[in-house]
Amino acid sequence: ETGVTQTPRHLVMGMTNKKSLKCEQHLGHNAMYWYKQSAKKPLELMFVYNFKEQTENNSVPSRFSPECPNSSHLFLHLHTLQPEDSALYLCASSRQGGRTEAFFGQGTRLTVV
Amino acid sequence: GENVEQHPSTLSVQEGDSAVIKCTYSDSASNYFPWYKQELGKRPQLIIDIRSNVGEKKDQRIAVTLNKTAKHFSLHITETQPEDSAVYFCAATIQNYGGSQGNLIFGKGTKLSVKP
Repeated sequence: ETGVTQTPRHLVMGMTNKKSLKCEQHLGHNAMYWYKQSAKKPLELMFVYNFKEQTENNSVPSRFSPECPNSSHLFLHLHTLQPEDSALYLCASSRQGGRTEAFFGQGTRLTVV
Repeated sequence: GENVEQHPSTLSVQEGDSAVIKCTYSDSASNYFPWYKQELGKRPQLIIDIRSNVGEKKDQRIAVTLNKTAKHFSLHITETQPEDSAVYFCAATIQNYGGSQGNLIFGKGTKLSVKP
């Protein structure tokens, strides 16, 4: 265990559904991230939060909506997704932004049907 | 263009041989370069990292070298074993993605297969 927990581990959703992915860390880290892992782009940065403030949105479509209510929790809200959004979504956290080790959660395997 | 490029995308070696994976980066301000190993069905985990004030770092069979002038760094695995088979990712802190701390940007990964 790395101290970063993601739920659910697997998710199947229809294109008209709304769902949320959850990430939780109790490592005292100040930065949290969402990465998308697919065959085309193995570790693609989506969103970054530093001290609860979003500091990066890497041209992600608006059907993905992040939320960071506090420094320990991070959500990714999903709505009207496309089949090509099927991928492994990895959450990570680090103590001091991009200059320190990132600890990854186990990921949520998302399938859009 | 890409901020972090990684080569090769696949690498097959015989058990006991050495494996070398190379990465280049574009941001001259980058100062942190970690390497992650991802086994099948598992999360990426840090195996070694290096900072810009050091040219080489070694941990048992794993070593990383950094050439800041050329903006490239490499992972070296000696005496490879079947359990070294995994996907390896390099990363670099890229400042131009915003924030004073920069963000870790990953290469596309190298699938290493060690044949017994």
